[in-house]
Amino acid sequence: AQSVTQPDIHITVSEGASLELRCNYSYGATPYLFWYVQSPGQGLQLLLKYFSGDTLVQGIKGFEAEFKRSQSSFNLRKPSVHWSDAAEYFCAVGADSARQLTFGSGTQLTVLP
Amino acid sequence: DAGVIQSPRHEVTEMGQEVTLRCKPISGHDYLFWYRQTMMRGLELLIYFNNNVPIDDSGMPEDRFSAKMPNASFSTLKIQPSEPRDSAVYFCASSSTGYEQYFGPGTRLTVT
Repeated sequence: AQSVTQPDIHITVSEGASLELRCNYSYGATPYLFWYVQSPGQGLQLLLKYFSGDTLVQGIKGFEAEFKRSQSSFNLRKPSVHWSDAAEYFCAVGADSARQLTFGSGTQLTVLP
Repeated sequence: DAGVIQSPRHEVTEMGQEVTLRCKPISGHDYLFWYRQTMMRGLELLIYFNNNVPIDDSGMPEDRFSAKMPNASFSTLKIQPSEPRDSAVYFCASSSTGYEQYFGPGTRLTVT
């Protein structure tokens, strides 16, 4: 069975600084990988996805993520964070054999003015 | 498209009462998922449907929980009887592929 680890429970960055959120997965084959964002009181919104091909994927709101098979990682990055990016971020992995996702425990992002 | 619609957005009920949560998926999406989110356990998949048929209900915590999808545009999650430990945010999500899932705003359930 697949699993996802987000090692950082909480990250604080200043507005305008760069951001990297870590995600490590465990799965025997090529995984389907996702990043979602959840603002307070809201549902989860899909930021980006990786199925195959180019290992650097672009998403909405200026986010990107890079799939590194050798490190079993799919880290999320943004070059310059905006105050509106403050939210909780979830990494998720899907398996080809089952149409369902396994979510990480989330990383809470705080943005300082 | 209006996105996934869930109702009610908030529900407060007393222990022992029946609770019914409702979901309208995005039109054309063949997959529907029910999740529960709590601080302690994070986001848990309860059950999912494909073409209105339940595929995997292994996440349903107990027999007190049941879910139905009578047609492609409507699903319910029912808890009977409800208990305080059922307090959580319940999300419905839909998908055309099963992988890219689009979430509703959630129903915050409080059982007193």
